[in-house]
Amino acid sequence: EAEVAQSPRYKITEKSQAVAFWCDPISGHATLYWYRQILGQGPELLVQFQDESVVDDSQLPKDRFSAERLKGVDSTLKIQPAELGDSAMYLCASSFAPGQLYGYTFGSGTRLTVV
Amino acid sequence: RKEVEQDPGPFNVPEGATVAFNCTYSNSASQSFFWYRQDCRKEPKLLMSVYSSGNEDGRFTAQLNRASQYISLLIRDSKLSDSATYLCVVNTPLANAGKSTFGDGTTLTVKP
Repeated sequence: EAEVAQSPRYKITEKSQAVAFWCDPISGHATLYWYRQILGQGPELLVQFQDESVVDDSQLPKDRFSAERLKGVDSTLKIQPAELGDSAMYLCASSFAPGQLYGYTFGSGTRLTVV
Repeated sequence: RKEVEQDPGPFNVPEGATVAFNCTYSNSASQSFFWYRQDCRKEPKLLMSVYSSGNEDGRFTAQLNRASQYISLLIRDSKLSDSATYLCVVNTPLANAGKSTFGDGTTLTVKP
């Protein structure tokens, strides 16, 4: 079964440091999403890509977060500087077309702890 | 008020019980709906889509009520392995993409 690859699985970083997460979607999936999930809550969309273009980043805290998908395949999400409140699970998902019709496949996530 | 609201959990049921979860949404323009299952400290996995006519997959039945703006998930003959958090997702068309909003989930624990 095809998978969405994410790395690292776990990351502990100190407040004010930079941190980056990587995602490789299922081959052929044009739509890629980054979600943040705080414990006890549902995933919240941070950014959605269609190929290499951002189609929705309205919930991305742009003062500290950035995301890119330069060649329309894998993607990187960066936080600089990290804050204590950024501790969460960061999930990448992909779908063949915008997931509104087909649903998403999620990667196993990166669990970030900021200390 | 949240765009997508789910029954607050947790639901604790014995094996073999029937349990139902509801999820309400506020945007009448929402068009597609899903249920996801999330095991503890794992990623969400798609459980089933929700169709207007209702749909069934084994012990699981999903229904949509557009007039009242809610979706439901019914689990019959609960198994220990059904213990998880169930997330509803509501998709609303926006411009050239669309917006998917997750509920906060309902936790189910099935006990022997």
